[in-house]
Amino acid sequence: AQKVTQAQTEISVVEKEDVTLDCVYETRDTTYYLFWYKQPPSGELVFLIRRNSFDEQNEISGRYSWNFQKSTSSFNFTITASQVVDSAVYFCALSSYTGGFKTIFGAGTRLFVKA
Amino acid sequence: DSGVTQTPKHLITATGQRVTLRCSPRSGDLSVYWYQQSLDQGLQFLIQYYNGEERAKGNILERFSAQQFPDLHSELNLSSLELGDSALYFCASSVAVEDNSPLHFGNGTRLTVT
Repeated sequence: AQKVTQAQTEISVVEKEDVTLDCVYETRDTTYYLFWYKQPPSGELVFLIRRNSFDEQNEISGRYSWNFQKSTSSFNFTITASQVVDSAVYFCALSSYTGGFKTIFGAGTRLFVKA
Repeated sequence: DSGVTQTPKHLITATGQRVTLRCSPRSGDLSVYWYQQSLDQGLQFLIQYYNGEERAKGNILERFSAQQFPDLHSELNLSSLELGDSALYFCASSVAVEDNSPLHFGNGTRLTVT
């Protein structure tokens, strides 16, 4: 079965704090893809990153970084020096062969960044 | 701007009615996906089309149906509407058949059933 778990329902931080959003996934496939999407208050869903199962290198993009660990089936997302504009719901997602390559989403983590 | 266009933005209708949601994918994308986002169910995959053919089905009710036309736009038809169908319906598109390319989402259609 394919499953994505985002245990943190809501996180509240003060601006400039670092924050890590957790994502744990389940799949029996050896080839799969993991994603993070952002849904700001305006409602649209915006793609942030894709990672395939063969690439465990961490990635950094500005204040965003992602830590992929196959050993713990986790794909965590860290925002450094958070800003008010980072306030959004963040979704972790998974697609794999067994799942018919349908992208399934976690329940999302709502991040509040207070000024 | 994702390049995916959804209409209408908002729809208010009564129980028992039928509505049609429309989606134009990003230029060059052949795959179209429909998702339902509700407060209690999160983002649920409904159905996927690729180049006019149905590719995958998710938790789509029998009262719901979809199709993708030769010009690649897609429509999601919701009939015999119930209060519980109130949700945000997203369309997304991607280049690939296998869903390993990022999804590009439209702004959604907010459906309110009264």
